[in-house]
Amino acid sequence: DAKTTQPPSMDCAEGRAANLPCNHSTISGNEYVYWYRQIHSQGPQYIIHGLKNNETNEMASLIITEDRKSSTLILPHATLRDTAVYYCIVRGGFQKLVFGTGTRLLVSP
Amino acid sequence: DVKVTQSSRYLVKRTGEKVFLECVQDMDHENMFWYRQDPGLGLRLIYFSYDVKMKEKGDIPEGYSVSREKKERFSLILESASTNQTSMYLCASTGDGANVLTFGAGSRLTVL
Repeated sequence: DAKTTQPPSMDCAEGRAANLPCNHSTISGNEYVYWYRQIHSQGPQYIIHGLKNNETNEMASLIITEDRKSSTLILPHATLRDTAVYYCIVRGGFQKLVFGTGTRLLVSP
Repeated sequence: DVKVTQSSRYLVKRTGEKVFLECVQDMDHENMFWYRQDPGLGLRLIYFSYDVKMKEKGDIPEGYSVSREKKERFSLILESASTNQTSMYLCASTGDGANVLTFGAGSRLTVL
């Protein structure tokens, strides 16, 4: 199973872009990168996922390096409501997802 | 627009009691999961189910059992609750072999 490494915490000013890194140097060719977030006292929420191409949706952008050993989740204009724990997960096919301890993002005014 | 519903948001039980945590999803998903979440440990998978009457052990199944009699409902059972089972319990579901999980709001269980 590919493991991921994320910084334990990050800060971001409201309105600025939040760039959350994730290292997954042992990722296999058929493994996707998934991002979830968990706002305090709620269940985790799916954000985005990708295989090798960059992806964008209404919530965020996902940038995956060409060698696929790392990725960055980008929240283009962070708001106070984006304060949450962000989880980066690597999995292939259908497998049970393993959540680590993630990155605690604090967005400040 | 609620899709995964956990029956109880907060529960307080006594040691030795039998506890049922219920989860219902309305998305016709095949796969359902039970996680527990504790500070500093992240989410840990207890059990999951690929189909009705099917169940698979996750990483920490000891002290728990599950029931999936209908596709939309996945129950977590603590046969004899203990204080170390005090935790936040999260139910999730997904369909079509995907890894995009939809989670419920969670059930915070306190065992005294």
